[in-house]
Amino acid sequence: GQSLEQPSEVTAVEGAIVQINCTYQTSGFYGLSWYQQHDGGAPTFLSYNGLDGLEETGRFSSFLSRSDSYGYLLLQELQMKDSASYFCAVRRLTGGFKTIFGAGTRLFVKA
Amino acid sequence: NAGVTQTPKFRILKIGQSMTLQCTQDMNHNYMYWYRQDPGMGLKLIYYSVGAGITDKGEVPNGYNVSRSTTEDFPLRLELAAPSQTSVYFCASSQTSGGRETQYFGPGTRLLVL
Repeated sequence: GQSLEQPSEVTAVEGAIVQINCTYQTSGFYGLSWYQQHDGGAPTFLSYNGLDGLEETGRFSSFLSRSDSYGYLLLQELQMKDSASYFCAVRRLTGGFKTIFGAGTRLFVKA
Repeated sequence: NAGVTQTPKFRILKIGQSMTLQCTQDMNHNYMYWYRQDPGMGLKLIYYSVGAGITDKGEVPNGYNVSRSTTEDFPLRLELAAPSQTSVYFCASSQTSGGRETQYFGPGTRLLVL
């Protein structure tokens, strides 16, 4: 079968750094993406890792270890507007490309 | 560019009714997707399409049908609405560059089946 595991909730304070982990079990793994979703809104793309290592985009970084089936999203200099749900998503190649989303991590940023 | 647009924004259906959720993208993307999102949950893939005339099932296709006659449009059809189909439906299209996929989502359709 296939599964993606990420924590259901994380709380951090403004200005801090937070890491959201994602472990996956799937066949045909091709890459790992991260999406942000504010309440009542649509998901928006944050980052993608196809190869092992760190990808940095401004305050957000994402890491992938294919051998450990593990990735994380790192958010630095947290702001109140970062309070949202964060989804990891596995892109699979099994006869065609499919993307499967995790259940999401709700991030609460406190003042 | 309008991106991905969806209509309607909100709909209430009675059990057994049918409806079509519309999705249009103006970015000339080949890949398009339909997801449903139940409260507090992640996105479940219903159907996807890799190009005009080609569709395939996702994780939760039962009770739904799709068609893709043009690159731009990817409607989702509910034939016999059931309360279990109460959800928020998101359409997305994607582009791939160097193996990296970016999905662009529409604003969603909130469906209530009573």
